[in-house]
Amino acid sequence: GESVGLHLPTLSVQEGDNSIINCAYSNSASDYFIWYKQESGKGPQFIIDIRSNMDKRQGQRVTVLLNKTVKHLSLQIAATQPGDSAVYFCAENSGGSNYKLTFGKGTLLTVNP
Amino acid sequence: NAGVTQTPKFQVLKTGQSMTLQCAQDMNHNSMYWYRQDPGMGLRLIYYSASEGTTDKGEVPNGYNVSRLNKREFSLRLESAAPSQTSVYFCASRDNSGDLEQYFGPGTRLTVT
Repeated sequence: GESVGLHLPTLSVQEGDNSIINCAYSNSASDYFIWYKQESGKGPQFIIDIRSNMDKRQGQRVTVLLNKTVKHLSLQIAATQPGDSAVYFCAENSGGSNYKLTFGKGTLLTVNP
Repeated sequence: NAGVTQTPKFQVLKTGQSMTLQCAQDMNHNSMYWYRQDPGMGLRLIYYSASEGTTDKGEVPNGYNVSRLNKREFSLRLESAAPSQTSVYFCASRDNSGDLEQYFGPGTRLTVT
C-alpha cells in the first residue's frame, strides 16, 4: 500500500540553528498533510498542516513546504530551542473525507545547547 | 477542557486475557480513532469512527474490536491478548468541520506476556 517515509531518522542541531526535517510520500492522491511532534511518553501534538492546493504554510517558528512534483514534504523550524527536541512525524490523509492518517516512521530531533 | 483522555495509562496482561481500553473526549468531536505505536515506528490506524454509531477498520484491525458508546467515548477491546499486541495505544478525535487535525490522548502502554 501507499506509505509515508522520512529521509533522515535522526537530526542533531545546535541551539539557535534552523532545522529541516524531510518527508517523502508516495500517494499522489493525498490531499492533506500534517506534522506532529511527540515528546517522550506523550501523545503526538499538532504542529502545522497543509492542504494539497498550497505549497507553503507558516506558523510560529515553523514552516511546512509541499512539493507535489516530487512528492516531498518538509518541516522547517527556525531558531531551534532545546524544547524542540522530540520525534517529529509527518502524516498524509489516505482516507478521503474520513481523514485516516498514514504516518511516517518519525525523525528524532536533538537540540544541543 | 481535558481534551482526549485515556485509561488506563499502563497495563500488563497475560496471553489470552481480555481487556478494554477506554477513550473519551470533551471537545464534541464527531470522529474518533484508535492507533498503535510500536518502537521506532509511526502510528498505525486500528479502527476509526466517523460518527456516533459507526465504526470502520483501519490498517491493522485484526485482534481488536471497538465500540462507539456515544459521541464522547470510543473503546478498544482485546478479546484474547497476544504478545504481538504489546504496544502503546493512542486514541484521537477530530471535528468533522473546520480544522482537520486530530487531537491525541496521552496513550496506554500495554504489555502482553
